Amino acid sequence: GQQLNQSPQSMFIQEGEDVSMNCTSSSIFNTWLWYKQDPGEGPVLLIALYKAGELTSNGRLTAQFGITRKDSFLNISASIPSDVGIYFCAGQSGGTYKYIFGTGTRLKVLA
Amino acid sequence: NAGVTQTPKFQVLKTGQSMTLQCAQDMNHNSMYWYRQDPGMGLRLIYYSASEGTTDKGEVPNGYNVSRLNKREFSLRLESAAPSQTSVYFCASSADPGGEQFFGPGTRLTVL
Repeated sequence: GQQLNQSPQSMFIQEGEDVSMNCTSSSIFNTWLWYKQDPGEGPVLLIALYKAGELTSNGRLTAQFGITRKDSFLNISASIPSDVGIYFCAGQSGGTYKYIFGTGTRLKVLA
Repeated sequence: NAGVTQTPKFQVLKTGQSMTLQCAQDMNHNSMYWYRQDPGMGLRLIYYSASEGTTDKGEVPNGYNVSRLNKREFSLRLESAAPSQTSVYFCASSADPGGEQFFGPGTRLTVL
């Protein structure tokens, strides 16, 4: 079946640093979604991407739909303590309702 | 506008007991979903409802049943709980099948 590899699995960074994470699929996707999950809460949608090469920002967050359509990237600029959490990617193939979810990148920000 | 709400927030069951997890959305979405989240794994789809009146199995449907009560509500039932069903359960909705999904806060279920 389809698989999503998300890396890194976890990372510690200093406040103010930029963060990069990515998701790689074994198959082509038509849509990529990025979510953030805080402890004890449900995932919250951050950014949605619909087109290969698309670059979309939401405040300090920027996500890109890879041109191969098999990967996506999320960058966080100038991290702050409230960026702590787990970031998930989700991808969807054309003609299906189903999203495949990555296993998450756990981000910890050191003040 | 509460978005997606779920009840209960926490539940402990004994093996063999039954229970229903409730989910409601106030966004007038057509599609609703139930996922489970286990450590080290991505969210896995249990059942979904593309529109009112329809339900279909997802990736891990065994041991579960669902009811799309109306456009707003989608419940998940465990008829005979097993320890393997210990997990965090999330309900989600989207305007249409395959659209951006919005999640509820989750139900943390432990089966002893």
